[in-house]
Formats: sequence, structure tokens, C-alpha cells
Amino acid sequence: QKEVEQDPGPLSVPEGAIVSLNCTYSNSAFQYFMWYRQYSRKGPELLMYTYSSGNKEDGRFTAQVDKSSKYISLFIRDSQPSDSATYLCAMGYSSASKIIFGSGTRLSIRP
Amino acid sequence: EPEVTQTPSHQVTQMGQEVILRCVPISNHLYFYWYRQILGQKVEFLVSFYNNEISEKSEIFDDQFSVERPDGSNFTLKIRSTKLEDSAMYFCASSVTQRDPYFGPGTRLTVT
Repeated sequence: QKEVEQDPGPLSVPEGAIVSLNCTYSNSAFQYFMWYRQYSRKGPELLMYTYSSGNKEDGRFTAQVDKSSKYISLFIRDSQPSDSATYLCAMGYSSASKIIFGSGTRLSIRP
Repeated sequence: EPEVTQTPSHQVTQMGQEVILRCVPISNHLYFYWYRQILGQKVEFLVSFYNNEISEKSEIFDDQFSVERPDGSNFTLKIRSTKLEDSAMYFCASSVTQRDPYFGPGTRLTVT
């Protein structure tokens, strides 16, 4: 079983729709969780960082963590064509500095 | 907004040659990292650096790789004898705490 699993997509939704992106993980030692956005041939851009179970909101983005189910989500409200990118979940341990990335979900927002 | 910068944006080298990838982390950050992404694959951790020493490294980071912070602003990754399979995007990252690293735009390394 992979440490972090993420559906690669592609996911295509119309502009204005709510987007739901998800990752599951197998290692309960993960303590903190991040979502990155990556445009083609660019570096990952940190969108959200959460440490505990529950929801965290930042503008149009909401990150949700359910540690009991080992499941994290990113919701994008009022999606825009500029949100078209690959979204990477990433997870880290409290005792280590490395983070483990998911394979990324390619998202396309249709105008 | 401060950001991580990397040079060069693209480096082409021949197999067996040494390359040095350069990074300027965000100025008040204390933790520095190198990650790489082979085309079409996941972003993979290589090494983390704190307080002028390596704090963690992956299996990929073998004796062919080294990191250095030669002065107060630069952070470098050296590959001593490049192989074809070292071709990838190399990302430098930095963070204030041992969390949520901010990534640079990457250096595309092509080994021929």
C-alpha cells in the first residue's frame, strides 16, 4: 500500500463549480498536512497547511483533515480558469523534516 | 512577497560531469531542502539542512550528492558525476520551522 494515494485525474469542471480534491494515507504517524498547487513546469506553491483534524479556511480554499479515516480534502469554491493546475497533497511527521507528496491531481476549469 | 530563487533555470550537462545547482532561500528561514521531480513522477525528498548540517536525507541522496551553504544567503546542491537518471526538475525549498516548506521555481537538469 502506498503511503499517500491521490487520484491523478484529470478532473474537469465548469467555472464557478465547487471542486473537491482528496488524498488518503496509510501511515498514522503523519502529523501535518499540506496542499500545494503546481502549474506546468513550475515549483509547487503552498496553498494550505494544517496540523489537526478539522477544517481550515483561506479565501476560496478549505482544507479538511480526518485523521481517524486517514483522509484529507481540499475544497475550492467558485472555481476559476486560473485554478487549472495540478494539486499535490503532502504530509509530514512531527519528528522529521521531509514531506511525502501524493502524485497530484490534474484539474481543469472550463470557462 | 519574499520567494525562493534558483539558478540556472535549465542546465544541460554530459554524463559524468559535475553540476552545481544554486538556491537563495527566503531570508529569515532556517530549514533548507532539496527535492526533485522526474518528469511525470512524484516530487521526492532528497535532503534537509539545518544549522549548517544535514538533518535528514533520503536513499536517493547518495555519495554523489552534497549540499553546502557557502555563505549567509546561498544553498547549493552538487552532483559529482551525473548519470542519465539524474535528469529531473530540482526544487529548493525553505521554511521557518520544520514544516510547510516554500518551494523555488526549480532547475531543470538534463543529462545527455
